[in-house]
Amino acid sequence: DSGVTQTPKHLITATGQRVTLRCSPRSGDLSVYWYQQSLDQGLQFLIQYYNGEERAKGNILERFSAQQFPDLHSELNLSSLELGDSALYFCASSVASSFNEQFFGPGTRLTVL
Amino acid sequence: AQTVTQSQPEMSVQEAETVTLSCTYDTSESDYYLFWYKQPPSRQMILVIRQEAYKQQNATENRFSVNFQKAAKSFSLKISDSQLGDAAMYFCAYRSDAGGTSYGKLTFGQGTILTVHP
Repeated sequence: DSGVTQTPKHLITATGQRVTLRCSPRSGDLSVYWYQQSLDQGLQFLIQYYNGEERAKGNILERFSAQQFPDLHSELNLSSLELGDSALYFCASSVASSFNEQFFGPGTRLTVL
Repeated sequence: AQTVTQSQPEMSVQEAETVTLSCTYDTSESDYYLFWYKQPPSRQMILVIRQEAYKQQNATENRFSVNFQKAAKSFSLKISDSQLGDAAMYFCAYRSDAGGTSYGKLTFGQGTILTVHP
């Protein structure tokens, strides 16, 4: 158990819908990272937050957005869902942005039908 | 942009034997970190080993060791005395230490599926 929690574990929804994935980092970790794992694209970095502020951005679609709240938990919002958005979404956390191990949560499996 | 390449989609090894997984990367940076992550069937991402680019000494963690060749941009993982529990997908990953908009981002290779035969 990495100490990073993600909810829900599984999510099944329809095209065009909007979903919210939630992540709670390890106690004391200020940085949260979101990654997408799909068969087509492999493991891709989406976005990073540090202590509530966006720190780095990857190939995140405009339909996707994220935020980190004052209690440091983070949410990834996916809207106007398409079949290709079906993937495993990981959240990871680390103490800071410098060389610290990123601890990964168990992931949320999103299926878009 | 940095890229990470794992040229072996699948590898297999007999229990108790040694196997080496290959990884190459492309970067123009001098300060970075390299990682090997393990993803078992549970899908949990587990850090196996890490290497700082400024260190010449190869990292070792119990049965896991790396061969880091900075000039060749190569970062292979050696698993000694393979165990059934080592069966998983292994990902090589790169992380820049240069700051900027990519700071903190892990760039992953495509992964290598390791099968361990009893």
